[in-house]
Order: sequence, then structure tokens, then C-alpha cells
Amino acid sequence: KAGVTQTPRYLIKTRGQQVTLSCSPISGHRSVSWYQQTPGQGLQFLFEYFSETQRNKGNFPGRFSGRQFSNSRSEMNVSTLELGDSALYLCASSFNGYMNTEAFFGQGTRLTVV
Amino acid sequence: KQEVTQIPAALSVPEGENLVLNCSFTDSAIYNLQWFRQDPGKGLTSLLLIQSSQREQTSGRLNASLDKSSGRSTLYIAASQPGDSATYLCAVKLGAQKLVFGQGTRLTINP
Repeated sequence: KAGVTQTPRYLIKTRGQQVTLSCSPISGHRSVSWYQQTPGQGLQFLFEYFSETQRNKGNFPGRFSGRQFSNSRSEMNVSTLELGDSALYLCASSFNGYMNTEAFFGQGTRLTVV
Repeated sequence: KQEVTQIPAALSVPEGENLVLNCSFTDSAIYNLQWFRQDPGKGLTSLLLIQSSQREQTSGRLNASLDKSSGRSTLYIAASQPGDSATYLCAVKLGAQKLVFGQGTRLTINP
């Protein structure tokens, strides 16, 4: 059974550009969450999608957005990139995201903004 | 606001020792607690999931306990091996489909 797949693994972008990251969840999983990991702030929740609907959002500016497709694959987009957006972006999938479900993470996308 | 703390931040022990990693959280209204392992530059690997109604879970050499009333969880690693070297993260699940993570414990097992 394939795990959570994130593409690309590495990205280098220039300040002001925008970027799109992709996440394919485990087959049968309908909930996809995104997290940002930095050395200073640790892992912080960005947003969660279920059945193409955003159910919850963390405390990030509107430059961070996402969407989910009918096959449960998800993308997140960051516009007008800032140096502080450099981080490891992790995607997690779970069956339905509710209370008793286990989260499984992908390998992450390392974004570097120069 | 839920806060999760992991102590110590770093731990170095000789191979073969048994060890305990600690995780504490401020709000006991959690649905579950998950322990993860992260190797440098990689994603998170789920180790153990403890539901709020459970007291402990075991997988191989790993045992995790949960005491909701005191806001504490421990991860016990038996007979440590160099391959156990990694950062260990605990995360609590809140009702809003999100995980709140601790800062992690960086574990080094010396051969």
C-alpha cells in the first residue's frame, strides 16, 4: 500500500514568486492536512481538507491557500513568497480526520526562498 | 490554547540502554496522542497512537503510556540501538482535525 506522496521534494524560489506543492494521500483516505516545519517554530498546522472542503485553518496569512480535488489529492499554494516561508512543508493523510484516526505523513517538500 | 512540551530537548545514551522520553500537554481534552519519529530532513513516521480512552500502547520495543488527567505521556524504548537515533515528536489531537506538536527530543544512541 503506497504511502503519502509529496512532490516535488525540493524547491528553490525567489522572493515574490509563488509556488504550488502537491500531496497524494494514502488510497482511501479523504482527509489531507498541511503543516509547516521550521527550526524556530516547529510544526505548525496550516489547514485541513476533507471531501474538497476546507474544514479548519491555522494562523497563517492569506498568502497560504490550498485545495483538494475529487480524488483526494491536495495542493497548497504560497503566493508572494518571503524569506521566512523557507521551511519543510509536510502533508498528512488520514481516513476521515476525525477524533480516533491516525495521521500518516509524507516525506515533505523542502522549500527554500532566496 | 493547547501547549505541548517535550523534555529533554536532546538525549544521548549508550547502546543497549532502556530510556524514557516525556511529553506533557496543558489541556486534557484531547482525542488521542501520537508519537512520531523524524530522521534528519525527512518526514514523520508514526510510531504509536493512543486513544484518549486508552492507557498504553505497545509496538515491538516501544511502549507509550497516556495519563490524561495529569497531561502526560511517556515513550519507553527498550534495548536501544544506533538505528533508533532520530528526533521523537509527540502530538495531541484536538477536535478540530489538527495535531499540536511538541518541539521534539533529539535522541542519539552511541555504539
